[in-house]
Amino acid sequence: RKEVEQDPGPFNVPEGATVAFNCTYSNSASQSFFWYRQDCRKEPKLLMSVYSSGNEDGRFTAQLNRASQYISLLIRDSKLSDSATYLCVVTPGGYGGATNKLIFGTGTLLAVQP
Amino acid sequence: DAGVTQSPTHLIKTRGQQVTLRCSPKSGHDTVSWYQQALGQGPQFIFQYYEEEERQRGNFPDRFSGHQFPNYSSELNVNALLLGDSALYLCASTKTGEAFFGQGTRLTVV
Repeated sequence: RKEVEQDPGPFNVPEGATVAFNCTYSNSASQSFFWYRQDCRKEPKLLMSVYSSGNEDGRFTAQLNRASQYISLLIRDSKLSDSATYLCVVTPGGYGGATNKLIFGTGTLLAVQP
Repeated sequence: DAGVTQSPTHLIKTRGQQVTLRCSPKSGHDTVSWYQQALGQGPQFIFQYYEEEERQRGNFPDRFSGHQFPNYSSELNVNALLLGDSALYLCASTKTGEAFFGQGTRLTVV
């Protein structure tokens, strides 16, 4: 079983749509949680951190459910520029700090259509 | 302020050869991690260097080795290349907080 599992998609949505991505992780001791965005043939870039209390950044909302080991990302009012691969990322427990290794899911491809 | 820089950007090697990839971290960052990203997959952690020592290692064979220099820059070496080593190799640097990635080196083994 993979440590971080995501639906690879692709998700094809029209502009203005709301789209939700889900992710599960297998290690209950996982410490930190993130969503990264990766454009085609580019490097991953941090989109947002994910907290149990939920956090929002403009049109993006992320949520963590530790009991279910489940992470979500909601994108409202999709723009053409949101087209990218969204990577769910966790850090394992037991080492600590932001310098811990990142464990990536396979990524979910989003294509926003005009 | 330059971000994370990697060289070369593209590389073609023959099976059995050896390759060295280079990474310069973002200014002020002292920790460098390397990742391998195969087509259609998420990046996989190879190893992490801090204070010139390998601090953590992922599930990669000994053919993958690295080094960190006193100026915090790093090299990734891969010996006895296999076709399956073809991938995008990403370097990420951190101090505390967010990890910043370089643009990657795209390695093709033929």
